[in-house]
Amino acid sequence: GIQVEQSPPDLILQEGANSTLRCNFSDSVNNLQWFHQNPWGQLINLFYIPSGTKQNGRLSATTVATERYSLLYISSSQTTDSGVYFCAVVGRGSTLGRLYFGRGTQLTVWP
Amino acid sequence: NAGVTQTPKFQVLKTGQSMTLQCAQDMNHEYMSWYRQDPGMGLRLIHYSVGAGITDQGEVPNGYNVSRSTTEDFPLRLLSAAPSQTSVYFCASSYSFTSGGYNEQFFGPGTRLTVL
Repeated sequence: GIQVEQSPPDLILQEGANSTLRCNFSDSVNNLQWFHQNPWGQLINLFYIPSGTKQNGRLSATTVATERYSLLYISSSQTTDSGVYFCAVVGRGSTLGRLYFGRGTQLTVWP
Repeated sequence: NAGVTQTPKFQVLKTGQSMTLQCAQDMNHEYMSWYRQDPGMGLRLIHYSVGAGITDQGEVPNGYNVSRSTTEDFPLRLLSAAPSQTSVYFCASSYSFTSGGYNEQFFGPGTRLTVL
């Protein structure tokens, strides 16, 4: 299966700081998603971004499919941004739709 | 739309008991799947379905059964619960991957299962 590596594994920020999370994947993909798992355990969809750049408020994401990586930017972080951020991919040509998850980045934002 | 719903939210079982985790979606998605999330192991695929009447095994299917009699529902059955099945279970859905179109996957809120 596809290997998905996320960095950094842990990130501690003060409110208002900016951050960049990285996701590297080992093969071509036809689906890449970023999720936020909040402290209550819910997986919240942030971006569906197999290629290109998208923005949603303080969050933006860029996927460079040819170089097999994606970046998630969080600007002016808030305490509610705390939680684990997962990158997940579906391999190109897959008809099964299985998402391969990275191990996540644990983000803690202090007031 | 309610999206993907799961019941129950929490469950405690004794070893050997059986139970069914419920999953439903109201988005007319053909593709549905079950994952389990364990510390240090990430999310792993248990079973999936590409449409009513069609199911297949994922990465960790042992000890679990599924069926898909309708597009909306995809229950997960634990046949004889074991402590190793203590985990958080997530159901997900999307449009069919065979269509080659937009197939963002959406997850339910999860079921936290403890097997004693």
